[in-house]
Amino acid sequence: NAGVTQTPKFQVLKTGQSMTLQCAQDMNHEYMSWYRQDPGMGLRLIHYSVGAGITDQGEVPNGYNVSRSTTEDFPLRLLSAAPSQTSVYFCASSYSSRVQPQHFGDGTRLSIL
Amino acid sequence: KQEVTQIPAALSVPEGENLVLNCSFTDSAIYNLQWFRQDPGKGLTSLLLIQSSQREQTSGRLNASLDKSSGRSTLYIAASQPGDSATYLCAATETSYDKVIFGPGTSLSVIP
Repeated sequence: NAGVTQTPKFQVLKTGQSMTLQCAQDMNHEYMSWYRQDPGMGLRLIHYSVGAGITDQGEVPNGYNVSRSTTEDFPLRLLSAAPSQTSVYFCASSYSSRVQPQHFGDGTRLSIL
Repeated sequence: KQEVTQIPAALSVPEGENLVLNCSFTDSAIYNLQWFRQDPGKGLTSLLLIQSSQREQTSGRLNASLDKSSGRSTLYIAASQPGDSATYLCAATETSYDKVIFGPGTSLSVIP
């Protein structure tokens, strides 16, 4: 059981480049979410999904896109990277956010120059 | 809009002390309140989840309480140990959109 797997672990981008952060889980969880973590600000919700084919915006969705074509995968796309998107990104999953705690991946550390 | 705050931002205690971490939330319409631990450079690990109908949950030396009416939760750590040093975050799950909203965390240092 791998849990929640995030790739890559580290990435450096130039301003204006695009990229996709990958998140996969093997626990058959319906609920998946993406957060960014900046110093002193805890985790801020970017996008989340309550099941395949369903996504919704979190607290800070601008500049990011998501899709959920399968239960297992929930990729996060940066359309045109900006220095303000330099952060640590965490993916999480649970069977249901209403009754179960979320399992977190190890994070992707993203720097945008 | 749900807002979650945590006090204090940082805490340093000598080994063996009992301590309390505080979490406040503005909207009492929640499914649950969760506490997580984060070690430096790592992801989050779930410690306790309290459903909205519950008052408290316990796991070993940890006890978390929930008072929905006042918008508060506390995490009590008994007989603290250096291995408890980490950042502790609380999170509230909204009933309106199933969003899980985090507080900024409390950085705990237990001094041997």
